[in-house]
Amino acid sequence: NAGVTQTPKFRVLKTGQSMTLLCAQDMNHEYMYWYRQDPGMGLRLIHYSVGEGTTAKGEVPDGYNVSRLKKQNFLLGLESAAPSQTSVYFCASSPHSHTQYFGPGTRLTVL
Amino acid sequence: DQQVKQNSPSLSVQEGRISILNCDYTNSMFDYFLWYKKYPAEGPTFLISISSIKDKNEDGRFTVFLNKSAKHLSLHIVPSQPGDSAVYFCAASGRYGGATNKLIFGTGTLLAVQP
Repeated sequence: NAGVTQTPKFRVLKTGQSMTLLCAQDMNHEYMYWYRQDPGMGLRLIHYSVGEGTTAKGEVPDGYNVSRLKKQNFLLGLESAAPSQTSVYFCASSPHSHTQYFGPGTRLTVL
Repeated sequence: DQQVKQNSPSLSVQEGRISILNCDYTNSMFDYFLWYKKYPAEGPTFLISISSIKDKNEDGRFTVFLNKSAKHLSLHIVPSQPGDSAVYFCAASGRYGGATNKLIFGTGTLLAVQP
């Protein structure tokens, strides 16, 4: 039981490049979330999904898109990366409860 | 507008003593509160939670207290151990905006337990 996994662990992009971050969970959780963590800012919600085929905007959605084609996967896309998107990205999943379970994170640097 | 605030960026305590981490919130719609622990280069891990219908929840060395009238919660760790050294995030959840189970996080407190 791997829990929540994230791919890749590290990535360096140039401004304007695109990429997709993959989150996978094997706990059959309905809800999945993408956060970013920046120094002094805590974790801020980017997008979330309450079930397969559904997505919704969080607190800081601009510049990101998401898709939840399969229940176990939640993809976060950056169409045209900007230096302001340099951050650590965390994915989380949750059953029908308040508790969220987090992946190990992806450290992204945009030059 | 920070709805969940952790005003102490860092805290240092001696091994064996009590660690008290504080959290304040502003939104009266929050009805569930959680504490997460985060080590460097790892994801946050759930530690303990409390519903707004309670004022205390205990799990081993960890106790969370909730004061709804003051919109304040605290995490007590007794006794503190060097392995407790980590960043602790307070988070809140509630029925608002039509969505469920979204968490609002504080900015975190770095706890250092000195041997």
